[in-house]
Amino acid sequence: QVQLQESGPGLVKPSQTLSLTCTVSGGSISSGSYYWSWIRQPAGKGLEWIGRIYTSGSTNYNPSLKSRVTISVDTSKNQFSLKLSSVTAADTAVYYCARETWDGGYDSWFDPWGQGTLVTVSS
Amino acid sequence: SYVLTQPPSVSVAPGKTARITCGGNNIGSKSVHWYQQKPGQAPVLVIYYDSDRPSGIPERFSGSNSGNTATLTISRVEAGDEADYYCQVWDSSSDLHVFGTGTKVTVL
Repeated sequence: QVQLQESGPGLVKPSQTLSLTCTVSGGSISSGSYYWSWIRQPAGKGLEWIGRIYTSGSTNYNPSLKSRVTISVDTSKNQFSLKLSSVTAADTAVYYCARETWDGGYDSWFDPWGQGTLVTVSS
Repeated sequence: SYVLTQPPSVSVAPGKTARITCGGNNIGSKSVHWYQQKPGQAPVLVIYYDSDRPSGIPERFSGSNSGNTATLTISRVEAGDEADYYCQVWDSSSDLHVFGTGTKVTVL
């Protein structure tokens, strides 16, 4: 079955760019009707969707983060990546990657998820 | 933007039924998906398309959606069901996934 694994620095300085990669195993990132998403969760708080990418390269971003987010895909490595610029302490969170099953219309859901990686923004 | 409201907590005795609501404006016109998140773990999909169960999810988990409220029902609750539960929809007016505020289920 498909598994996802996040990787990247656990500590980022304020005003710098957070960069994470999600490696997909057990299946091709290019197959099927899937988007590939990033979601984050501050400690003790709820889930916030950051954005997603289709293997064609088409992206959608959360409007609240859009000016700072870039999601890209590398099909040759079966990976997709997140860049979040100009980070502040408010960006400290566990970051999850997830496969998003899309029904071709307006509906999609997240399954499976990566285990998550904690990113702390601090000097 | 679209808002999904859940009760912060629900308490239930073992063997009883837990009902977790997710309120949103005309949510019955959308498809609702539900996730279970145990402490220190990633969320797991337990219901999609309002009431469908992924393989491996017990039949004790069921869902419904109508009007302004979607509901996740857990029958014959077990200690292992203690977790946070989140609802989720796609807000097509904003091209945005929205998660509910989350409900902590405590098994007494």
